[in-house]
Amino acid sequence: EVKLVESGGGLEQAGGSLRLSCAASGFAFSSYEINWVRQAPGKGLEWLSYISGGGETTYYADSVKGRFTISRDNAKNSLYLQMNSLRVEDTSVYYCARVETGLHYMGVWGKGTTVIVSS
Amino acid sequence: DIQMTQSPPTLSASVGDRVTITCRASESINRRLAWYQQKPGKAPKLLIYAASSLESGVPSRFSGSGSGTEFTLIISSLQPDDFATYHCQQYNNLWTFGQGTKVEIK
Repeated sequence: EVKLVESGGGLEQAGGSLRLSCAASGFAFSSYEINWVRQAPGKGLEWLSYISGGGETTYYADSVKGRFTISRDNAKNSLYLQMNSLRVEDTSVYYCARVETGLHYMGVWGKGTTVIVSS
Repeated sequence: DIQMTQSPPTLSASVGDRVTITCRASESINRRLAWYQQKPGKAPKLLIYAASSLESGVPSRFSGSGSGTEFTLIISSLQPDDFATYHCQQYNNLWTFGQGTKVEIK
């Protein structure tokens, strides 16, 4: 079964840091590009960051550029999101999502992990 | 950045109704548009990609159309399991989502 499982969410103070993880199984992880997407309470979906299969190429939304860093360890079938300088407005459910090869829509999503940033 | 505008934000409908949701892009995205269904507390689920291609396992009452800047998701006969929020997403230049359309019971 193709699966993505996020972890690492929790409660953090503004200005603090958190590291999210996304564990992949059931597919050739290194062959797939992966995105992070978040959803603030009661709001829509927001794309945050992209990483290529080998990790050489990354992109970020302006809202997190310079604060968040995406990375991956293909030997561990894992994706990460290092979140620094957290803000109250970063409070969201964070999802990792697999980018379908050559087509670029997000075909497989994890269930999400919740991050709450307090002031 | 490409902006995606979805309408309506909320839609009240009854079982059996035909439901239409629209999504407009701020510039041409060819047919690089996907539709997702999301239920409360759950992750989004892919319904349609490439504007009109139905994801495997998705009921045929869902259909998509459009190209360029105007796109439509149609549910031909609304079922109880379809009450949810629907999101459009462009993937022509990075990724951008619409604001979502909540389909609620009338």
